[in-house]
Amino acid sequence: SQQGEEDPQALSIQEGENATMNCSYKTSINNLQWYRQNSGRGLVHLILIRSNEREKHSGRLRVTLDTSKKSSSLLITASRAADTASYFCATDQGAQKLVFGQGTRLTINP
Amino acid sequence: DSGVTQTPKHLITATGQRVTLRCSPRSGDLSVYWYQQSLDQGLQFLIQYYNGEERAKGNILERFSAQQFPDLHSELNLSSLELGDSALYFCASSLGGPHTGELFFGEGSRLTVL
Repeated sequence: SQQGEEDPQALSIQEGENATMNCSYKTSINNLQWYRQNSGRGLVHLILIRSNEREKHSGRLRVTLDTSKKSSSLLITASRAADTASYFCATDQGAQKLVFGQGTRLTINP
Repeated sequence: DSGVTQTPKHLITATGQRVTLRCSPRSGDLSVYWYQQSLDQGLQFLIQYYNGEERAKGNILERFSAQQFPDLHSELNLSSLELGDSALYFCASSLGGPHTGELFFGEGSRLTVL
């Protein structure tokens, strides 16, 4: 499979703590994107990082990309109950394909 | 609201039947993507269209077909349905271009095959 793999599959933390999710992939990419999905709803785009970028920030989100290790991480700081969702990484592998990983289920406990 | 509209939201049908899922992309977007999400398979890329033409094909079964019309809406046709086809089917749209940028997802069509 060319899909990325997220790690961990599930993560449960206390409100206010930071959450870190990792994504690994197998092929060269043009960019890597992170999406959030609330239960049974459509996916929402969070952030895009290009293959020549190493780090990107958006509000409480910080994404890193290491193309030599074919991996990325998503850090959510100062988590809130509303951050409870599944988080997916997706890789633009060229040929107009955006391939999604299996996702990390994040639960924020009040 | 992403601006992407999918109908129907829910669909229950029997094995062997055929269904059509419809997607209206965000205004101005030329690319439409179809994904299947089931519990054990994650989010699987099916097919992508750009301005009416097929651009990329993923793990789409021969029993499935899609097209994008001149007004840029798209339909995904699923035939000879099997129990394993039960899933959430998502449509997403983007501006299009050489690299895949941000996708805007609809709320999905939940298909249940009995």
